[in-house]
Amino acid sequence: EVQLAESGGGLVQPGGSLRLSCVTSGFTLATYWMTWVRQAPGKGLEWVANVKQDASEKYYVDSVRGRFTISRDNAKNSLYLQMNSLRAEDTAVYYCARARVRVIGVPYWYFDLWGRGILVAVSS
Amino acid sequence: SYVLTQPPSVSVAPGQTARVTCGGNNIGRKSVHWYQQKPGQAPVLVVYDDSDRPSGIPERFSGSNSGNTATLTISRVEAGDEADYYCQVWDSSSDLCIFGGGTTLTVL
Repeated sequence: EVQLAESGGGLVQPGGSLRLSCVTSGFTLATYWMTWVRQAPGKGLEWVANVKQDASEKYYVDSVRGRFTISRDNAKNSLYLQMNSLRAEDTAVYYCARARVRVIGVPYWYFDLWGRGILVAVSS
Repeated sequence: SYVLTQPPSVSVAPGQTARVTCGGNNIGRKSVHWYQQKPGQAPVLVVYDDSDRPSGIPERFSGSNSGNTATLTISRVEAGDEADYYCQVWDSSSDLCIFGGGTTLTVL
């Protein structure tokens, strides 16, 4: 079965760090771009970061650039999000998702497979 | 940065047609994707690349995109279609993924 499973969330104080993991199964991780998307309580979806198949390219939303790092270990079928200098506004459910990318013609990036999500709460 | 505008809510009676719009500057030149999210669940892709449907998504779900508006159309609406719907594009000028604010579909 094709699936994604996040872990590593929880309650952390402002300024603290947390590392999210996403274990994949049922497909070859090395052939896909991957992404993290978050959703603050009662709010909409916000894209956080993308990483290319070989990790040679990474993109981040401005609000997390310099604080968050996306990475992957294809041999372990895993995606990661290292989150440092956490702020209250980072409180959200974080989803890992598989990306489909087209770079020629009209470019697109969409997410065809999602994990269940993991809650990160930043509070003192 | 690029902005996608969705109406906060849309209401429709069962069996009728619901249309959820997504506005953006020259969005017709971009590829638009739509996600359905039910309470407490992860999003599910329902339309990609303006009008294509992933396997397993009913034909009742369709999409179109032209000018400054993309539209998700749900025909013969059912109670189970109640959910939040989000449009999404990739803004290649900024290398950013953009989501619309979401639309809550209520089945009366």
